Amino acid sequence: DGGITQSPKYLFRKEGQNVTLSCEQNLNHDAMYWYRQDPGQGLRLIYYSQIVNDFQKGDIAEGYSVSREKKESFPLTVTSAQKNPTAFYLCASSIAVSDYGYTFGSGTRLTVV
Amino acid sequence: AQSVTQPDIHITVSEGASLELRCNYSYGATPYLFWYVQSPGQGLQLLLKYFSGDTLVQGIKGFEAEFKRSQSSFNLRKPSVHWSDAAEYFCAGTLLQGAQKLVFGQGTRLTINP
Repeated sequence: DGGITQSPKYLFRKEGQNVTLSCEQNLNHDAMYWYRQDPGQGLRLIYYSQIVNDFQKGDIAEGYSVSREKKESFPLTVTSAQKNPTAFYLCASSIAVSDYGYTFGSGTRLTVV
Repeated sequence: AQSVTQPDIHITVSEGASLELRCNYSYGATPYLFWYVQSPGQGLQLLLKYFSGDTLVQGIKGFEAEFKRSQSSFNLRKPSVHWSDAAEYFCAGTLLQGAQKLVFGQGTRLTINP
């Protein structure tokens, strides 16, 4: 079945470390998105990519980086510059928002220890 | 600025009772609107969407939503809730131009009393 796979499900990071969250989709979607979810704040857009080798900053891109070398993959790196990285991270993709909205992965919970 | 607002952070209803979750939007034009549901520790699942036409839209799991332009609202309803409906619900909107980024409300957590 087609879908979005996020890994790992849980991730622990020491302060000062960079960590990379994986997002892979086999839906043949062009557009992919990363959102951060904190209690009471809904989902906030970190980065998005509409096509391979291109990506744009969202509303809270500081301290994060992405790459889009393949259509299927959109990894997110949480750098040491992100001062408050503990959160739930959701990856999504879309082919035609007007028809299907977004398809979401099951998320990665990142905790700084 | 484009925004979606869910005024209620937490709602508790009894099993079998009716449900209405509120959503208000602020856009320069009529946005495309969505309702998603999230179970704890999971991703989001699309319940229903509105683009144009009939202002009452039907979704999965017995949910419906009504678009009211005069009130800038898109409230989600269900006639009779089940214990399995306990989850967090998100309203989202976008304009179908440019990057088609979804803007989400803050979410409403629904608790069901037996």
